[in-house]
Amino acid sequence: QVQLQESGPGLVKPSETLSLTCAVSGASISGSFWTWIRQPPGKELEWMGYISHSGSANYKSSLKSRVTISVDTSKNQFSLKLSSVTAADTAVYYCARGVVYRLDIWGRGTMVTVSS
Amino acid sequence: QSALTQPPSASGSPGQSVTISCTGTSSDVGTYNYVSWYQQHPGKAPKLMIYEVSKRPSGVPDRFSGSKSGNTASLTVSGLQAEDEADYYCSSYAGSNNFGVFGTGTTVTVL
Repeated sequence: QVQLQESGPGLVKPSETLSLTCAVSGASISGSFWTWIRQPPGKELEWMGYISHSGSANYKSSLKSRVTISVDTSKNQFSLKLSSVTAADTAVYYCARGVVYRLDIWGRGTMVTVSS
Repeated sequence: QSALTQPPSASGSPGQSVTISCTGTSSDVGTYNYVSWYQQHPGKAPKLMIYEVSKRPSGVPDRFSGSKSGNTASLTVSGLQAEDEADYYCSSYAGSNNFGVFGTGTTVTVL
């Protein structure tokens, strides 16, 4: 079955760049949209952005200056980069297949803490 | 883009029904039939329960149903079961500029 697995550092220093990868197994990354969502501890979900298999991306307006989502079809994975992080970026980060109104497969999530 | 508004909590006894509201604006819920609902158990990833207002993915029990009126969407869980106790989030398409928004979340308790 289709599975998504997030990976990356669990601790990032303030002002640095958070980098995460989502490996897709059981399905080709081509032909779908792929989304990043985050959830600060005890808070609601926040849509961050999506990318199509062709590389066309769309980001939440308040994050647009700091976020980049890219896709690597050769590795069947997509990635998230969030620059100039602060403590407010501490959250569980999820990758998922689809767009915000139909995210049918989710990764388990990875906790990222921003702290010096 | 502000989060969609949901009540913080809802509850019901086993076998009863509970309805959760999700209030947006004419820029999201009110204009587009792209509303979905996600169920999240503690420490777990969310699961898609309803999409496009009222459609159920394969495997989701028909006890879960969705609807929309104006700027407010609703999720109804009928015949409540213990495993339905979870957090529920709505989401909506919000146009090409803001694209997507989630709700504030509702904790459903089975009494």
